[in-house]
Amino acid sequence: KQEVTQIPAALSVPEGENLVLNCSFTDSAIYNLQWFRQDPGKGLTSLLLIQSSQREQTSGRLNASLDKSSGRSTLYIAASQPGDSATYLCAVSRGETSGSRLTFGEGTQLTVNP
Amino acid sequence: DTEVTQTPKHLVMGMTNKKSLKCEQHMGHRAMYWYKQKAKKPPELMFVYSYEKLSINESVPSRFSPECPNSSLLNLHLHALQPEDSALYLCASRPKGSYEQYFGPGTRLTVT
Repeated sequence: KQEVTQIPAALSVPEGENLVLNCSFTDSAIYNLQWFRQDPGKGLTSLLLIQSSQREQTSGRLNASLDKSSGRSTLYIAASQPGDSATYLCAVSRGETSGSRLTFGEGTQLTVNP
Repeated sequence: DTEVTQTPKHLVMGMTNKKSLKCEQHMGHRAMYWYKQKAKKPPELMFVYSYEKLSINESVPSRFSPECPNSSLLNLHLHALQPEDSALYLCASRPKGSYEQYFGPGTRLTVT
């Protein structure tokens, strides 16, 4: 059974700092890994999706990397801003035959202080 | 239209009530999902519909009844719920040929 772990569970940083969120998964037979952002009481916003054949994806100040063989992904946020405060979730998918079901980690709650 | 919408935003219901949650997308996505999310926990998959057919039921109690009347609409019918069913219910959709899921804003359900 796939297990996804995110470290740290919570992180508080001053504005402007660069930071790294970590995600690990136990079964390397994944199709892709997706990073989401969730504001309190809201739905999930997809940030980045990395296919299993890719090593990284970038969007603005966000960069996600994937090391499938070691079962790890990182989300790098550059020059953090108070508006980045949210819970960040990573999720892995095994592909079509499993309905592309997502297995989520518990999330990292990020607070960026002005 | 590039989003998944869910109605209502909030719902309070008694344990004897019958209510329905609604999810819509007009992006031509043919896979749609229901997730349940408890406070400070990740979403848990409940149901998957593919081409309007139920493809996955994650052993969800029968008091939750999904329905996919057409390719744009997904319903979740609720009956005789328990207080522990109170949660954020999220709908998601996925385009054919992609594994990226797009989530709606959710319905906050409270069972009294």
